[in-house]
Amino acid sequence: DIQMTQSPASLSASLGETVSIECLASEDIYSYLAWYQQKPGKSPQLLIYAANRLQDGVPSRFSGSGSGTQYSLKISGMQPEDEGDYFCLQGSKFPPTFGGGTKLELK
Amino acid sequence: EVQLVESGEGLVQPGSSMKLSCVASGFTFSNYGMNWIRQAPKKGLEWIALIYYDSSSKYYADSVKGRFTISRDNSKNTLYLEMNSLRSEDTAMYYCAKQGYGGFFDYWGQGVMVTVSS
Repeated sequence: DIQMTQSPASLSASLGETVSIECLASEDIYSYLAWYQQKPGKSPQLLIYAANRLQDGVPSRFSGSGSGTQYSLKISGMQPEDEGDYFCLQGSKFPPTFGGGTKLELK
Repeated sequence: EVQLVESGEGLVQPGSSMKLSCVASGFTFSNYGMNWIRQAPKKGLEWIALIYYDSSSKYYADSVKGRFTISRDNSKNTLYLEMNSLRSEDTAMYYCAKQGYGGFFDYWGQGVMVTVSS
């Protein structure tokens, strides 16, 4: 199975700060990478798919980039509603596998 | 609006069986593959099963292969997960999720909690 190593495990950001979260795949996943946000007690919401395509309805402060084995999610200007858990998903090779998650808090 | 509503939550003893359901609305259910994904308490997410739009193919994670069965009834817009020989390590929140572009999961249900304990 493809291993997805996500970092950092947690971070704290100030209002308006730019935040980056990384995912490293154990092999090339050819941009088959998605990012999700999960708030406490809620189901995950798709933010980014195919590494850099913004899901409909997701604020433009969220962006994704990367290729090969290295991918990142950027939040340009932290907002209070951005607090939550974030995780990546690779869909390049079966079975789909998730990163370990990043807990993002407002400082 | 896409909605996925799971049911079947409960507490069961090790070795027993349980069946989860997921009712879909807001999209043409019969056109999309569907998945079950679980999240153990304080742990990460684990994909466990996929069924094609027409039930022609089904895939399972090694951790549940031979014990869990995914199925669907397109006439009822409903996805199922039959779980047998349950173990304590199957304790988790179980989500159904719709297959989207590129095989990613674009919509998820609210989840149901399955607890396996004596």
